[in-house]
Amino acid sequence: DAKTTQPTSMDCAEGRAANLPCNHSTISGNEYVYWYRQIHSQGPQYIIHGLKNNETNEMASLIITEDRKSSTLILPHATLRDTAVYYCIVRLRNYGGSQGNLIFGKGTKLSVKP
Amino acid sequence: GAVVSQHPSRVICKSGTSVKIECRSLDFQATTMFWYRQFPKKSLMLMATSNEGSKATYEQGVEKDKFLINHASLTLSTLTVTSAHPEDSSFYICSAGDHIRWEQYFGPGTRLTVT
Repeated sequence: DAKTTQPTSMDCAEGRAANLPCNHSTISGNEYVYWYRQIHSQGPQYIIHGLKNNETNEMASLIITEDRKSSTLILPHATLRDTAVYYCIVRLRNYGGSQGNLIFGKGTKLSVKP
Repeated sequence: GAVVSQHPSRVICKSGTSVKIECRSLDFQATTMFWYRQFPKKSLMLMATSNEGSKATYEQGVEKDKFLINHASLTLSTLTVTSAHPEDSSFYICSAGDHIRWEQYFGPGTRLTVT
């Protein structure tokens, strides 16, 4: 089972920031928080990941709370092409066992509206 | 970023036949590859993990004799759906694992329809 909890769906106006929350209260100390998204009928696309510190790349920012029990993915200026299902996943960074696997929950369906 | 391809992107087959899906890592060597299945409006479900040159490890409930996985090289893994039935119709997605940065890169998926 997925170790994260996300809202089922969210709407966002085009051009505004989209803030997608994720709860991972049982995360262990060496597990990373990963975010992927899946546009309809495509394979998942990596967005960003982090361990403790906040992270930013060209796609998004990841804010992780100090206790690491929750995080927020921020798309600073959402466009219509950002409409997708966003998955928050916690995992170890290895392939030595199931804890390194990407286990997808139901994700958040983000709809960006004009 | 790393590129993973899948072939075919879409396939229709008759019930009882077998279908092979290829997954290739185009610009990196993937020691580990993963196969997922996704039914309409559902999330991705991990089917199996394969390491190059070894037998695949299947998730609980996935029939290894029905879903044959071969990972013969560091850039190619294949999934063969044997004796396909309409209930096997699904979106099959592979991912390839990079052991330098421990990341997974996903292919575009293969839409299988069994008639």
